[in-house]
Amino acid sequence: AQSVTQPDIHITVSEGASLELRCNYSYGATPYLFWYVQSPGQGLQLLLKYFSGDTLVQGIKGFEAEFKRSQSSFNLRKPSVHWSDAAEYFCAVAFNTNAGKSTFGDGTTLTVKP
Amino acid sequence: DVKVTQSSRYLVKRTGEKVFLECVQDMDHENMFWYRQDPGLGLRLIYFSYDVKMKEKGDIPEGYSVSREKKERFSLILESASTNQTSMYLCASRTGDYGYTFGSGTRLTVV
Repeated sequence: AQSVTQPDIHITVSEGASLELRCNYSYGATPYLFWYVQSPGQGLQLLLKYFSGDTLVQGIKGFEAEFKRSQSSFNLRKPSVHWSDAAEYFCAVAFNTNAGKSTFGDGTTLTVKP
Repeated sequence: DVKVTQSSRYLVKRTGEKVFLECVQDMDHENMFWYRQDPGLGLRLIYFSYDVKMKEKGDIPEGYSVSREKKERFSLILESASTNQTSMYLCASRTGDYGYTFGSGTRLTVV
């Protein structure tokens, strides 16, 4: 079945440590790929996106993500986490059909320890 | 920056009421979406619209309808609210590069 999977429901890291959030997709073709962040009680904010070209993409707030076609993955990384990064993170995919609607993973909640 | 405004942050409604959730975007985007977000279930697409008066069902349209009379406004309607429609409702507008701009969400409680 076509799906977007975020294997980790909850991740805890120490402030200053590196972070990697995983995202895998299962589609016949390579979709457009996105990462969003949601602070408590808020809507989602786009962190970064991948369409084609360079497989390492840079986003806002110091985040980056790497597309790996062979692994059908689009993992989000940050070299040094700040306490303000505590939030829920969503991976999403879209295609150039159906108004470009996005399908979201179930999210990963990030807790940052002082 | 594109702004997507949802008229209410919190709503409490009674079972059986007809509920209107309003969403307005200010960048002339053609495509707008309504999702609901529930713990453990992620974001699920209810309806979307790709132009004025044009709408398509998403993955969970039952119990909902939508209205898009003007390009900037996309309304979600709960015809007869039920307790299982208690949720966070998120409206989004799509930019040309397929990324979404989201509103702040409406947390609806049906009692």
